Amino acid sequence: DAKTTQPTSMDCAEGRAANLPCNHSTISGNEYVYWYRQIHSQGPQYIIHGLKNNETNEMASLIITEDRKSSTLILPHATLRDTAVYYCIVLSIQGAQKLVFGQGTRLTINP
Amino acid sequence: EPEVTQTPSHQVTQMGQEVILRCVPISNHLYFYWYRQILGQKVEFLVSFYNNEISEKSEIFDDQFSVERPDGSNFTLKIRSTKLEDSAMYFCASSEIGYYGYTFGSGTRLTVV
Repeated sequence: DAKTTQPTSMDCAEGRAANLPCNHSTISGNEYVYWYRQIHSQGPQYIIHGLKNNETNEMASLIITEDRKSSTLILPHATLRDTAVYYCIVLSIQGAQKLVFGQGTRLTINP
Repeated sequence: EPEVTQTPSHQVTQMGQEVILRCVPISNHLYFYWYRQILGQKVEFLVSFYNNEISEKSEIFDDQFSVERPDGSNFTLKIRSTKLEDSAMYFCASSEIGYYGYTFGSGTRLTVV
């Protein structure tokens, strides 16, 4: 079972920042927080990951709380192409650890 | 940007027939995976493969399923005798060692009739 809790759906206006929350209260010390998204029926796409520090790349920012029990994915200027299901996954870096997908958050960007 | 390539994109097969789904992982990746997604449902893990052997498999991955890396570049998923409930999108993924993100292919839509 997935170790994370996410809202089922969210809406955001085009051009605004989309903030997607995730709770992972049982995360252990060697587990990272990963975010993936799935646009329609395409393969999941890696977005970003982090351990305890905030992270930023060309796609998004990841804010992890100090206690690591929750995180927020931020898409700073959402576009219509960001409409997708977003998955928050906790994962140990050791070995061939499988990704366990939950239901994710269905993010709809509105014009 | 390197890609994971899957073929075919769509496969229709008769129930009871064998199918082979093919994947070319990213060349320097060491871990390989198959996932599936039944229409409208979650993405489900099937199997992981490392160092030429299965490292983990799910309950879904029963005796009807097998994986192979026949030539050092391809990674295949075989379903020996397909059932209607095998109809799904099948995604191949690969990753480097460590904490780097997995890269997924665009999937093969398998339809069993």
